Amino acid sequence: AQSVTQPDIHITVSEGASLELRCNYSYGATPYLFWYVQSPGQGLQLLLKYFSGDTLVQGIKGFEAEFKRSQSSFNLRKPSVHWSDAAEYFCAVGDAGYSTLTFGKGTMLLVSP
Amino acid sequence: DGGITQSPKYLFRKEGQNVTLSCEQNLNHDAMYWYRQDPGQGLRLIYYSQIVNDFQKGDIAEGYSVSREKKESFPLTVTSAQKNPTAFYLCASRPRDGFNSPLHFGNGTRLTVT
Repeated sequence: AQSVTQPDIHITVSEGASLELRCNYSYGATPYLFWYVQSPGQGLQLLLKYFSGDTLVQGIKGFEAEFKRSQSSFNLRKPSVHWSDAAEYFCAVGDAGYSTLTFGKGTMLLVSP
Repeated sequence: DGGITQSPKYLFRKEGQNVTLSCEQNLNHDAMYWYRQDPGQGLRLIYYSQIVNDFQKGDIAEGYSVSREKKESFPLTVTSAQKNPTAFYLCASRPRDGFNSPLHFGNGTRLTVT
């Protein structure tokens, strides 16, 4: 069975600084990988996805993520954080037939002025 | 606009009562999902359905039941057998054959059982 680890429960970043959120997955084959963002009391919004091809994927709101098979990682990055980026971020991996997604426990991003 | 509607946004029940959470989508998606979210636990899969009249248990199905009589509807019943029902419940959907299609989520229902 697949699994996802997000090592950081909380991260605080100054506005304008760069951001990297870590995600490690466990899955035998080529995974389907996703990053979602959630504002308090809301549903999840897709930031970006990786299925195959170029290992650096671009998403919405200036986010990008890099798939590294050798490290089983799919870290999320943004060069300059805005206060509106404060939210909870979830990494997810899809199974072989992509019938279900397994989510990590999330990383809460706090943005300081 | 197409989307997923979960109602109500907040739901309160007494312990021992069954309660049904509504999820309706007009995206024409085949597959629908129910996730439970608890603080610090991420999202855990309760049930999912890939076609009408068929559904599968997820990782934490005990104490829950679902039905899928219509393509656009996937209601979740939280039964009195669920020991810790207070949580945030998220419904999602996607095209069954859409390997490039991510999950689309509703805005959730927060259930409080006292």
